[in-house]
Amino acid sequence: NAGVTQTPKFQVLKTGQSMTLQCAQDMNHNSMYWYRQDPGMGLRLIYYSASEGTTDKGEVPNGYNVSRLNKREFSLRLESAAPSQTSVYFCASSELRYEQYFGPGTRLTVT
Amino acid sequence: AQSVTQLDSQVPVFEEAPVELRCNYSSSVSVYLFWYVQYPNQGLQLLLKYLSGSTLVKGINGFEAEFNKSQTSFHLRKPSVHISDTAEYFCAVSRAGSYQLTFGKGTKLSVIP
Repeated sequence: NAGVTQTPKFQVLKTGQSMTLQCAQDMNHNSMYWYRQDPGMGLRLIYYSASEGTTDKGEVPNGYNVSRLNKREFSLRLESAAPSQTSVYFCASSELRYEQYFGPGTRLTVT
Repeated sequence: AQSVTQLDSQVPVFEEAPVELRCNYSSSVSVYLFWYVQYPNQGLQLLLKYLSGSTLVKGINGFEAEFNKSQTSFHLRKPSVHISDTAEYFCAVSRAGSYQLTFGKGTKLSVIP
């Protein structure tokens, strides 16, 4: 099992460009999450999907959209990237609400 | 809303010495508590969790933590650290029944040979 996979691993964008971060899990988990990690800030929840067909805002949703494509896949879209969105993005999944499994991360730089 | 404070941003410790990483939380309702570890350039891995029951929780790699409700703390301990324990450690809290985890800002543990 690959667990949680994320693509791409690295990305550089110019201000105003758009992109979609992809996440997939092969553990048959119901819930999936997107976090961003910034130095000295810990991880902050952007959006989550408790189950297929539902999505909810987390702590820092502004500037992002998500799509729960099916049970396996949960994507994060930046419509118009800003330098403040430079960060490392982690996807996670869980079957039980409180035991989340994390992907390896996507390092995004917006210039 | 709940919050988590990790009292030390960096902790250097010599190999084979004991270590304690401190975590305090605030919440007006029942919570679940977690410790995650992040090795360089990797995602987070669950070390241990407290949901209910015994206040002393044992996790992977010889780590343990104690839930102290009166002091609202959940400190992580290991009696003897190894070089391979060098990583960043995150304390997290979840309101019982919630999908949302709130993370502390992390503590970087550096094990010195």
